[in-house]
Amino acid sequence: SQTIHQWPATLVQPVGSPLSLECTVEGTSNPNLYWYRQAAGRGLQLLFYSIGIDQISSEVPQNLSASRPQDRQFILSSKKLLLSDSGFYLCAWSPSLNEKLFFGSGTQLSVL
Amino acid sequence: QKEVEQDPGPLSVPEGAIVSLNCTYSNSAFQYFMWYRQYSRKGPELLMYTYSSGNKEDGRFTAQVDKSSKYISLFIRDSQPSDSATYLCAMSAGYGQNFVFGPGTRLSVLP
Repeated sequence: SQTIHQWPATLVQPVGSPLSLECTVEGTSNPNLYWYRQAAGRGLQLLFYSIGIDQISSEVPQNLSASRPQDRQFILSSKKLLLSDSGFYLCAWSPSLNEKLFFGSGTQLSVL
Repeated sequence: QKEVEQDPGPLSVPEGAIVSLNCTYSNSAFQYFMWYRQYSRKGPELLMYTYSSGNKEDGRFTAQVDKSSKYISLFIRDSQPSDSATYLCAMSAGYGQNFVFGPGTRLSVLP
């Protein structure tokens, strides 16, 4: 069966520091991969999605970037965090037909 | 008009009640429909998945899709305090199209 791993679960970082969140999927190949952000009391905002290695699409201009160095690995990064980057970050994967979406456990990021 | 609309609640019901959660949408191309349950500070868990129109039942949960009305529902029978969570509807037109989510309905089942 397929599983998705996302870490860390909680992260507290100072403003201006770098960020690296990692996500891996097991038990499938060539998944579509996603990064979402969920602000408190708000809906899910799609940040990045990827249909293959080194194929990344950005949905919103921002302080973040994403990379997919391997088929089942997706990384969310920032060179310098802003206060506004605080939120709950979710990695997700979908079979290539995009008929259903599975989420990781999430990372609560607090930028202070 | 938003692509997917969902009453944010909060919705409070007594234990044992039947809960009805709903979403409406505007894009007739959607053909995959999902319901997620999200506990506080946890990732959304896929609860029900339906392709095209019709009903799907899984234990206490029933998902209904009416594509002619662009309306989907999730029914929870014999609700339990452990069902207290935020429920998100989501849909997709399939390959090459991203998922669209409702804002979520916060449900509280009171013992």
